[in-house]
Amino acid sequence: DAGVIQSPRHEVTEMGQEVTLRCKPISGHDYLFWYRQTMMRGLELLIYFNNNVPIDDSGMPEDRFSAKMPNASFSTLKIQPSEPRDSAVYFCASSPPTVPTGELFFGEGSRLTVL
Amino acid sequence: AQSVSQHNHHVILSEAASLELGCNYSYGGTVNLFWYVQYPGQHLQLLLKYFSGDPLVKGIKGFEAEFIKSKFSFNLRKPSVQWSDTAEYFCAVCSGGYQKVTFGTGTKLQVIP
Repeated sequence: DAGVIQSPRHEVTEMGQEVTLRCKPISGHDYLFWYRQTMMRGLELLIYFNNNVPIDDSGMPEDRFSAKMPNASFSTLKIQPSEPRDSAVYFCASSPPTVPTGELFFGEGSRLTVL
Repeated sequence: AQSVSQHNHHVILSEAASLELGCNYSYGGTVNLFWYVQYPGQHLQLLLKYFSGDPLVKGIKGFEAEFIKSKFSFNLRKPSVQWSDTAEYFCAVCSGGYQKVTFGTGTKLQVIP
């Protein structure tokens, strides 16, 4: 089975540029999560979706960040404009619609460097 | 709000030494508890999980964890570590009924051959 697929794996951009990260969850999973990992703050939940609907976006740092899930097999995380402090590894994870909850399946991550 | 504390940020052990990593959470209700492992340059993978039942949970690669409800703890153990266990370990909690998972800050384990 294919796991969670993220692209790009690495992105280097200049401050002020728009960045779009992409995620394809595991087929049949109806929860999708975006996490950010940095040395200073560890793993932070940015936003999560259920059945393509954003449930909790309280972790999104500021208006420069936006996330969409137009269908069950695709999600994007966009940063516009990007800043050096956005440099991090961004993980997408999905989980199935079963109970109990909380088990996540992570993608390989997108390493973002903003110069 | 739920939170997770991992007390050890960096642990260095020799091969064959025993391992115990501490994890405490704060949430008064029903919780699901997890340990994830992140090998260098890789994504997080599930090591073990506790939902209910026997508080001593066995996971992959000889790891186990014990849920002590009265102490709000879920410590990870392994009797004898190997060099290949070098990785970062994350404790995580999910409060019952919700999918929002909160991670601890992680513990970097370095095993010296």
